[in-house]
Amino acid sequence: EDQVTQSPEALRLQEGESSSLNCSYTVSGLRGLFWYRQDPGKGPEFLFTLYSAGEEKEKERLKATLTKKESFLHITAPKPEDSATYLCAVVDSGYSTLTFGKGTMLLVSP
Amino acid sequence: DSGVTQTPKHLITATGQRVTLRCSPRSGDLSVYWYQQSLDQGLQFLIQYYNGEERAKGNILERFSAQQFPDLHSELNLSSLELGDSALYFCASRRGLANTGELFFGEGSRLTVL
Repeated sequence: EDQVTQSPEALRLQEGESSSLNCSYTVSGLRGLFWYRQDPGKGPEFLFTLYSAGEEKEKERLKATLTKKESFLHITAPKPEDSATYLCAVVDSGYSTLTFGKGTMLLVSP
Repeated sequence: DSGVTQTPKHLITATGQRVTLRCSPRSGDLSVYWYQQSLDQGLQFLIQYYNGEERAKGNILERFSAQQFPDLHSELNLSSLELGDSALYFCASRRGLANTGELFFGEGSRLTVL
């Protein structure tokens, strides 16, 4: 059974204070790792897909990286509008479905 | 706006009752997924349909059922409701069958069972 563990559960940063969120996974043949952002009361919004170890993707202040066991979402000089819950999900070799972690709730204070 | 529409946005009902949640996928998307999100469990996959046919099942209770209609909209039926069924229910869609690439989520239906 695929497992996705995200840490920390919650993270509070000051505006401009860079940090990283972690997503560790156990899957049978990773076919894709996804990062989503979820605002309160809204549906998850797609950010990145990573397919192989060593791959990196960037979008504004966010950068996602992937190793064979985990992924990191690096947030550089965050702003209050980056406050959200960040979800990580994986798809295994059976292409069955996305398995989500429980997310990291990020709060960026001005 | 993801293009996925879910109704109703909020629903309050009593234990033992039955409700139906509706989802209209993005134009052109053939795959529809249902997820349940609760505070302690996170996003849990319930069921997937592709072009009207059930393709994958997750942790969906026997009291729950779903279908996808010829116009590709989908409905999730929840019956004999229990307090523990209170959660956010999300519908998501994508163009193809394979579970890779972006999945587009609706804004969810918040179900409260009293």
